[in-house]
Amino acid sequence: KNEVEQSPQNLTAQEGEFITINCSYSVGISALHWLQQHPGGGIVSLFMLSSGKKKHGRLIATINIQEKHSSLHITASHPRDSAVYICAVSGAQKLVFGQGTRLTINP
Amino acid sequence: EAQVTQNPRYLITVTGKKLTVTCSQNMNHEYMSWYRQDPGLGLRQIYYSMNVEVTDKGDVPEGYKVSRKEKRNFPLILESPSPNQTSLYFCASGRGTSGNYNEQFFGPGTRLTVL
Repeated sequence: KNEVEQSPQNLTAQEGEFITINCSYSVGISALHWLQQHPGGGIVSLFMLSSGKKKHGRLIATINIQEKHSSLHITASHPRDSAVYICAVSGAQKLVFGQGTRLTINP
Repeated sequence: EAQVTQNPRYLITVTGKKLTVTCSQNMNHEYMSWYRQDPGLGLRQIYYSMNVEVTDKGDVPEGYKVSRKEKRNFPLILESPSPNQTSLYFCASGRGTSGNYNEQFFGPGTRLTVL
């Protein structure tokens, strides 16, 4: 079993829908990261959080340390949100990544 | 412009021919790291460095070497590349001396093919 599990692996939705991507982890962590990888391959850090909730524009990330679970939400999704979203956890100086969720938003 | 640069962006080479992928950051970050990304396996950490002359192994260090002689540069060295090192490689940097609380800034990636 992977240390970091994401669901779903693939998600297709219509523009405007509310999107939720889930991340569960099995190890002790210092922080959890959400990354976005665009079709061109570049990776951008969206959030880094160790407790509670963070919001940037239409993106919201939450983490429940007791349940070892995090969610990434996208409100009012747009085709430009189409990308691979990757959850990663950090502890002991290392990063461990989930497999990624491929999100496609259709107009 | 704050950025992490990698060179080359694309490389096709043959088994056994030593190569170096350079990584440089202009943000004065202490922490730097190398990752490889493979289909079905996702991103995996190769090596990381918490500061000049301080490096340590990640999850998949076999076949790779790194050095950190200057804060801004963190080259990845493949002394004798093999086909199983064909992959997409990312360098990243972050503030502080730990990967734990660092937002990571990623380079554009280097696509390596070893024949």
